[in-house]
Amino acid sequence: GAGVSQTPSNKVTEKGKYVELRCDPISGHTALYWYRQSLGQGPEFLIYFQGTGAADDSGLPNDRFFAVRPEGSVSTLKIQRTERGDSAVYLCASSLGPGQRSYEQYFGPGTRLTVT
Amino acid sequence: DQQVKQNSPSLSVQEGRISILNCDYTNSMFDYFLWYKKYPAEGPTFLISISSIKDKNEDGRFTVFLNKSAKHLSLHIVPSQPGDSAVYFCAASGGGGGSNYKLTFGKGTLLTVNP
Repeated sequence: GAGVSQTPSNKVTEKGKYVELRCDPISGHTALYWYRQSLGQGPEFLIYFQGTGAADDSGLPNDRFFAVRPEGSVSTLKIQRTERGDSAVYLCASSLGPGQRSYEQYFGPGTRLTVT
Repeated sequence: DQQVKQNSPSLSVQEGRISILNCDYTNSMFDYFLWYKKYPAEGPTFLISISSIKDKNEDGRFTVFLNKSAKHLSLHIVPSQPGDSAVYFCAASGGGGGSNYKLTFGKGTLLTVNP
């Protein structure tokens, strides 16, 4: 079956602009996570959705970052007033619902964001 | 403070031999441990996981060992193949479901398998 997909694969934007990154999880996966990976580091947790609600947004670095998942499937990560320090690969992962090895997460290919 | 540590940035092995990748953690609340493989310009690919109630899990050429008292786990790949060359990430999560399953990653180890 289809895996997690993310669009765009690459995004170059100017400092101060607004960007949206999209994630399409594996069909039937109710849990969705966003991570950010900087050069030479492992992915770092940003936000977790169970269904439509953001159950844990403790990893979002500041209020310029926001994410939605209005119908419990596709999610959009939104970054306002981008800064050069936001440049990174943004990864989305999905997993099965509670009680079904839901700790195993499956990742998309990521969106490489470059802020100039 | 890094809760998951992979102290070897790189490892080089000969094709057909064993690759051993190591990982240490500090948080005793972690309940699940996972290994991911990552090729350049791709997302991490799930390889194998282990629950904290077990000390070994095997899947084909991949075996993960967990030593809870030492807070240490390792991934063994036997036999190693050139296609295994990639960055390997160790990750850990809590238990009980929900946001406890968010993953904490190490920095990764670059494995090179030489033909």
